[in-house]
This record gives sequence, C-alpha cells and structure tokens, in this order.
Amino acid sequence: EVQLVESGGGLVQPGGSLRLSCAASGFIFDDYAMHWVRQGPGKGLEWVSGITWNSGTKGYADSVKGRFTISRDNAKNSLYLQMNSLRTEDTGLYYCAKVGPSFGSDAFDIWGQGTMVTVSS
Amino acid sequence: QSALTQPASVSGSPGQSITISCTGTSSDVGGYNFVSWYQQHPGKAPKLMIYEVSNRPSGASNRFSGSKSGNTASLTISGLQPEDEADYYCSSYTSITTFYVFGTGTKVTVL
Repeated sequence: EVQLVESGGGLVQPGGSLRLSCAASGFIFDDYAMHWVRQGPGKGLEWVSGITWNSGTKGYADSVKGRFTISRDNAKNSLYLQMNSLRTEDTGLYYCAKVGPSFGSDAFDIWGQGTMVTVSS
Repeated sequence: QSALTQPASVSGSPGQSITISCTGTSSDVGGYNFVSWYQQHPGKAPKLMIYEVSNRPSGASNRFSGSKSGNTASLTISGLQPEDEADYYCSSYTSITTFYVFGTGTKVTVL
C-alpha cells in the first residue's frame, strides 16, 4: 500500500523551530519529487515547498523562503522540513504529498494524514 | 504569487451537474496544461480527482471531468451525489515560482 506518514508537529513559541518528517512506503521513493502543503485552521491549501527526486531543485513559497528548508534522504525513504523562525501565521496542518500519478506529472496523487503545527506563546 | 480564484460556494441538487471555475493568469493556468483538482472532505486529506487539466487518476469517479479555456480551468461534476459534498481546490504549475499554486477553494453543497 502506498503511504505517507508525517510526524514532528507540535506546539512551539514564536521564533522557535521544528523539524517535520514524512516516511514513505509502497513506492520507489527516489523516483518522485515530493512536496509539503499546509492548511491553516479553517483555511485553504497552500503549497509550501518542493524537492526533486535527486534534491537537485528545491522551491519555497515566498511566505517561508529563508526560514524553511526542505530535504530528503532517499536511503531512508524520508522527506523533511526544517522550520525556523516560526510565526503565528505558520500554524496549520502540514501535509506531505507525492507527485503523481507518474514521476513526470505535476499533481499530488498521494497525501499523508498531516501533522499539526501550532505556533503560539 | 496570488492564489488562483475560485467561487466560494457552488450548490446543486442530486443528479444535476455543476461546474467550478478556477481563474489564473498566463503564468499559470493559461500557460501550462498542468492544472489539477482535489476533493477534500472535512477532517480528511485532499484527494486527487483530475490532473493535467482533464485526466482522471485511477480511483476517481468518471462523473468528474476537467477542461480549460484561456486562463480559466473548470471542474464539472455530473450526476451530483450526496458524497460529492466537500471542498474542492484547483492547483496549477506556475512559472513565477517554478512550482505550484492552489486555488482559494470552493465548497460544494448538495441540496
């Protein structure tokens, strides 16, 4: 079964840091680009960051550029998001998403269940 | 990069057809055939319904179809059913960030 499982969310004070992880299984992880998408409480989806299969290209939304860093470890079938200088507006459910249906697609065909990040004093 | 524009809500009766629009610019929707659509039920992760404007992935109902004209993409749900009541989001590749942008989201209500 193709599956993505996020972890690492929690409560953090403004200015703090968190590292999110996404464990992938059921597919050849290093064939696919991977992304992080977030959803604020009661709000819509927001693309946060993406990374190509070989980490050759990384991209960030303007709202997180310079504060967040995406990375992956293909040997561990894992995706990461290092979040620094967190702000209250970063609060939300963070989803890990796989590009698909094929590795050349530009859609997200598999999503994790999300991990909640709350930035509050 | 601003979000793509979708109507806040669309409603229809069971059996009817509804269409949700997604308006962008020539830098995203209008410039590339990389529009996708997602269904999200409350408390659940999004589900891919349409990719590359009009392709359906395995597992998506054939009552869902997609199209595009100029800078506006559309999702049509035919034969509306109660389980179609959900939030729907479009997404497109954008040359501004060279990655992706989502739409503002549309709440579909089955009357």
